[in-house]
Amino acid sequence: AQTVTQSQPEMSVQEAETVTLSCTYDTSESDYYLFWYKQPPSRQMILVIRQEAYKQQNATENRFSVNFQKAAKSFSLKISDSQLGDAAMYFCAYSSGANSKLTFGKGITLSVRP
Amino acid sequence: DVKVTQSSRYLVKRTGEKVFLECVQDMDHENMFWYRQDPGLGLRLIYFSYDVKMKEKGDIPEGYSVSREKKERFSLILESASTNQTSMYLCASSFTAALSNQPQHFGDGTRLSIL
Repeated sequence: AQTVTQSQPEMSVQEAETVTLSCTYDTSESDYYLFWYKQPPSRQMILVIRQEAYKQQNATENRFSVNFQKAAKSFSLKISDSQLGDAAMYFCAYSSGANSKLTFGKGITLSVRP
Repeated sequence: DVKVTQSSRYLVKRTGEKVFLECVQDMDHENMFWYRQDPGLGLRLIYFSYDVKMKEKGDIPEGYSVSREKKERFSLILESASTNQTSMYLCASSFTAALSNQPQHFGDGTRLSIL
């Protein structure tokens, strides 16, 4: 069975600085997808960024980028120029096969210091 | 934008009651999902459905059932609520059953307390 591990329960970053959130996963599949979701306090969970395992190029969405290391089964999220609105819980997730069923990590709470 | 609507943000029920949590999506998505979210445990899949009247068990289906009579609506049922089912419940949907790269769109969640 696939597993997703987020070993750090909490992190803190100074506004305008850069922070990296770690995620590792375990799978025997060769074709899969990885996601980072953001859940602001008392608000809806939204997709931040998505990476296809067959792509070597790391995905980027504005201030958000990933470092995808397929051999190491590592998928970290880098947030540049952190903003107060980035404060949220972040979940790493894995999907393979049909039905887009996701396996989530336990999440990490990111706080942003003004 | 995709809209996933859960019928209640907060719900308080008593032990032994039959509880219905409703979820509606407005984008003709094939897949729908029910998760529960608990501190330190992340999101765990209860049930999902990839078509009308089709359902599959997730990782923690015990004590729950689901119903999908119409494509846009997916209901989670607690047959006889127990205190260990106190949790945040999240509904999600995604576009097609054929691909695993489709992002899921989430509702606001229902915080359910069983007394």
